Amino acid sequence: DAGITQSPRHKVTETGTPVTLRCHQTENHRYMYWYRQDPGHGLRLIHYSYGVKDTDKGEVSDGYSVSRSKTEDFLLTLESATSSQTSVYFCAIKRDSRDTGELFFGEGSRLTVL
Amino acid sequence: KQEVTQIPAALSVPEGENLVLNCSFTDSAIYNLQWFRQDPGKGLTSLLLIQSSQREQTSGRLNASLDKSSGRSTLYIAASQPGDSATYLCAATGNQFYFGTGTSLTVIP
Repeated sequence: DAGITQSPRHKVTETGTPVTLRCHQTENHRYMYWYRQDPGHGLRLIHYSYGVKDTDKGEVSDGYSVSRSKTEDFLLTLESATSSQTSVYFCAIKRDSRDTGELFFGEGSRLTVL
Repeated sequence: KQEVTQIPAALSVPEGENLVLNCSFTDSAIYNLQWFRQDPGKGLTSLLLIQSSQREQTSGRLNASLDKSSGRSTLYIAASQPGDSATYLCAATGNQFYFGTGTSLTVIP
C-alpha cells in the first residue's frame, strides 16, 4: 500500500461542467502522475508533477489542467467536461527520489460525462 | 517514442499450469521494467520491478526476466491458480513510463 487516495471514486456529470479529481499521498514523494485508461488505448499520461508547483504535460493533456500546491495533493481539473473525457482516471506516485523508481497507483476515479 | 507490446491480448489456461506472459519494447535504453496486475474495477498493483542492470526478479510464484538487447521481458507464473486471473501489464521506464495494453489471463479451475 503506497498510501494513495483518490476522490471521488465515481462521478457522473454533464457536458460543460467543471470537474476536479483529487489525489492524496501520505508518503511525501516528489513525483505524481495522472493517467487515463480507456479500452483499446491502455494507460495514457495526462500530466505529471515533479514537485510543489512543478508540473508538465503528458501525451493527452488537452482539456485538462493540474495543480500541486502541497506535496501530498495533486489535483486534476477538467475545466469544461466533454463526453470524450469519460474514462477511468488513475493517480500514481513514483517511489524514489531519483529518475528511476517504482510506480504505484491509486484505486482510480471513474468519470462519466453525459 | 518507446512502444510497448504485450502478446497475446488474452490467455486462458487450466489451473496448475505454468505460463509465460510476454512484453516487448522498442527502445532498449530503459531504466526499469515493471510488471503490474490489474483486477476488474481496480487500480494497478505492482508485482515486480527489474532494474536495467538486473536480469530477473522473483516473488513467490512469479519470476520476471529482462533482456534489454532483444527488447523483451517475460513474466513466468508457476502453478497457476484461479486467483491469478487478472490483466497483467508491463511498463518500460525511460524519461517516462510506457505501458503495454496488457494480457488478460483467465485460470480455469
